[in-house]
Amino acid sequence: LAKTTQPISMDSYEGQEVNITCSHNNIATNDYITWYQQFPSQGPRFIIQGYKTKVTNEVASLFIPADRKSSTLSLPRVSLSDTAVYYCLVGDENSGNTPLVFGKGTRLSVIA
Amino acid sequence: GAVVSQHPSRVICKSGTSVKIECRSLDFQATTMFWYRQFPKQSLMLMATSNEGSKATYEQGVEKDKFLINHASLTLSTLTVTSAHPEDSSFYICSARGTGSFHEQYFGPGTRLTVT
Repeated sequence: LAKTTQPISMDSYEGQEVNITCSHNNIATNDYITWYQQFPSQGPRFIIQGYKTKVTNEVASLFIPADRKSSTLSLPRVSLSDTAVYYCLVGDENSGNTPLVFGKGTRLSVIA
Repeated sequence: GAVVSQHPSRVICKSGTSVKIECRSLDFQATTMFWYRQFPKQSLMLMATSNEGSKATYEQGVEKDKFLINHASLTLSTLTVTSAHPEDSSFYICSARGTGSFHEQYFGPGTRLTVT
């Protein structure tokens, strides 16, 4: 699985847009990019997944440039409840038995 | 969405005893389940992969005789921490994958184990 690199931590004020960038220079052709959110003492929760360009759902947007060596998770108008650790993972869509391997993640703190 | 449960959510045990943690996929059949361990302020660390009806595959450095994993049915996997020690105190999280795509891996709420 391709290794990912993210900022260790970020701070933001409520109501602002937060962009978290992940580097994955060794991403393979079949790899997808997936982001998870984890609150303290809870299991990770799926946020969004993409392969290229832009993906948007009710929670976030994911921007992936043409070379796919990085991706940016965008959280619009964050609130205090968005304080969590965000993980970027890269892996093969069709690898059923391949586990998700977590990097260090980005600890987002939203301030009132 | 699919739901994965874990039981118990918290457990305290004495050093030297064994503890069993259950992971269940409630509304789908999980051909593969994964067990992770997470220490405070750290990321999830994969411990093992279990497939229904076969032996689990353990990650390097994880003692298979200490962390017994059983995946006897398509909806249940268990992790037994044998002869627990205080350093085994951690947050244990399971995840389950059905027959869908890569991202269709659902995580349980975790089990907080404290060994005294």
